[in-house]
Amino acid sequence: QVQLVQSGAEVKKPGASVKVSCKTSGYAFSAYHVHWMRQAPGQGLEWMGWINPASGGTYFAQEFQGRLTMTRDASINTVYMELSGLQSDDAAVYFCARETLTATRPYDFWGQGTLVSVSS
Amino acid sequence: DIQMTQSPSSLSASVGDRVTITCRASRSIDSEISWYQQTPGKAPKLLVYATYVLHTGVPSRFSGSGHGTDFTLTISSLQPEDFATYYCQQSYNTPRSFGPGTKVEI
Repeated sequence: QVQLVQSGAEVKKPGASVKVSCKTSGYAFSAYHVHWMRQAPGQGLEWMGWINPASGGTYFAQEFQGRLTMTRDASINTVYMELSGLQSDDAAVYFCARETLTATRPYDFWGQGTLVSVSS
Repeated sequence: DIQMTQSPSSLSASVGDRVTITCRASRSIDSEISWYQQTPGKAPKLLVYATYVLHTGVPSRFSGSGHGTDFTLTISSLQPEDFATYYCQQSYNTPRSFGPGTKVEI
């Protein structure tokens, strides 16, 4: 069955970077884009960007340009999201999700979420 | 960028009630909208995509409608497991913006 399993919670200091992994299984890794979203405590969902696992191509929301990186390792069916220059407002649960190939390309499978805390 | 708004931001309802949530896009997104349900501490779950298509396994009490800028998600008879927060998302272009959510409470 399709699964996306994310790495565990992280605690980071302001200015540091965090790298979250999303290990996929149960489907053809290269065939589906993976998107990343985040959700600050008590807030809604914020879309961050996507990675094409086949090519490594990426697209990021403007507000993350310059400090967001997405990579993949096809040998272990895993994508990574790295956010640098962390500030207190980056504290959130980060989600990866698989984009389907159907009309309007929604997200049919999600990771369980990774809590990133930012504190000095 | 396309902005998505939702109304109401929260609502109180009872089991068996008919509930309608509205989502509005800042410009036309054709039919490129999806709806997600999220319960506390969990990842969102896909309910509806392409405005009205139910995702696999989603009960038929959920339905979607609309086109262009105005969309609705309807729950025909609210069940206990439906108390959650609902988000719309447009996929017409990037960034793939979400609505702010509608919390359905008892």
